Amino acid sequence: QQQVKQSPQSLIVQKGGISIINCAYENTAFDYFPWYQQFPGKGPALLIAIRPDVSEKKEGRFTISFNKSAKQFSLHIMDSQPGDSATYFCAASRRRTGTASKLTFGTGTRLQVTL
Amino acid sequence: NAGVTQTPKFQVLKTGQSMTLQCAQDMNHEYMSWYRQDPGMGLRLIHYSVGAGITDQGEVPNGYNVSRSTTEDFPLRLLSAAPSQTSVYFCASSKDRDSYGYTFGSGTRLTVV
Repeated sequence: QQQVKQSPQSLIVQKGGISIINCAYENTAFDYFPWYQQFPGKGPALLIAIRPDVSEKKEGRFTISFNKSAKQFSLHIMDSQPGDSATYFCAASRRRTGTASKLTFGTGTRLQVTL
Repeated sequence: NAGVTQTPKFQVLKTGQSMTLQCAQDMNHEYMSWYRQDPGMGLRLIHYSVGAGITDQGEVPNGYNVSRSTTEDFPLRLLSAAPSQTSVYFCASSKDRDSYGYTFGSGTRLTVV
């Protein structure tokens, strides 16, 4: 059972355009929603994260939009650059008493930004 | 400060062989975990540890063993390798069990033939 569904699987955007990646989750107990960026041959790196008490978080060109009622969140990359070409993973987690808060990842989106 | 170090970077095994993937972190993180990454599947949790001497199973633990004798090290053992274990393996750590900011290693690409 895929608890976090991510789309699209791949995305091609022109330089300067807006990249949008969407995720949907099922478990309403999730309370932390990070996005990870992964370059080829490297491990994922935390890009930006949001908690469900806010609807939007912006860090530079990267924005997370969060819709609690729809159980959806998305990553927007403004003014996309070739250096943004990477695979992006959304994830979700919730605090659990007595054990660790484990991340559940989406299936990833391969973004290519063309010149 | 090296962060999370994984060795080896690449490995080819024959079916039935055993091996250990090494993971070490120098950030004094309590929480460590192992994920496997497969095309179209994202990252799936294999095993995790909330501290030395404590381990637990994740989503896909079958065929793998772990131990945590020190805070720094969290090796992943493949008992009898199978082609289905061909994957890229990532070790990740965080400050403690409630910290959400994971630091990932650069991965081990394992091929089982």
